[in-house]
Amino acid sequence: DADVTQTPRNRITKTGKRIMLECSQTKGHDRMYWYRQDPGLGLRLIYYSFDVKDINKGEISDGYSVSRQAQAKFSLSLESAIPNQTALYFCATSPGTYEQYFGPGTRLTVT
Amino acid sequence: GQQLNQSPQSMFIQEGEDVSMNCTSSSIFNTWLWYKQDPGEGPVLLIALYKAGELTSNGRLTAQFGTTRKDSFLNISASIPSDVGIYFCAGMNYGGSQGNLIFGKGTKLSVKP
Repeated sequence: DADVTQTPRNRITKTGKRIMLECSQTKGHDRMYWYRQDPGLGLRLIYYSFDVKDINKGEISDGYSVSRQAQAKFSLSLESAIPNQTALYFCATSPGTYEQYFGPGTRLTVT
Repeated sequence: GQQLNQSPQSMFIQEGEDVSMNCTSSSIFNTWLWYKQDPGEGPVLLIALYKAGELTSNGRLTAQFGTTRKDSFLNISASIPSDVGIYFCAGMNYGGSQGNLIFGKGTKLSVKP
């Protein structure tokens, strides 16, 4: 089984809808991250969490919120989706070093 | 915000050829990481570098932490079709938030059999 899983893998939603992307990990890592990937722009950090009680904004947090329900679970929410939030979303984990390990991604389309 | 310049943006090579790509930063980095992303998948960590001048290999891949601490290089020897994908560098600079790896925009590698 994969160490970092993301659900759903693909999602199409309409403008204004609330949507949640979920990430689970079995690596036992304390640190978890959410990134967004757009063509030609690389990976940009949305939010990160060093433990269950710690949440930090990344480079592009506007329009997003997160919840760290447990050490193994980190969810990303779009409160009111807009078309320019169409992108690939990746969850990553880290054992506390600089190395990060990525999930398979969620492809989100907002129409 | 901080940016990494990764080059080239894309490469089209013949199977068997060697490949070189690099990343540069305007500030000193204390860590460099190299990832590969296959279509439809998440990035996979290839090599991590923690010390200026460090040279590390992973099979046919070799990466180096530049001595200026502002650059890193990745070489792939004797390329094969499964090397196709996007290669990303990522780094952490001195004084940067421990949560914030900075990523390059990627080098897209295509290999002709």
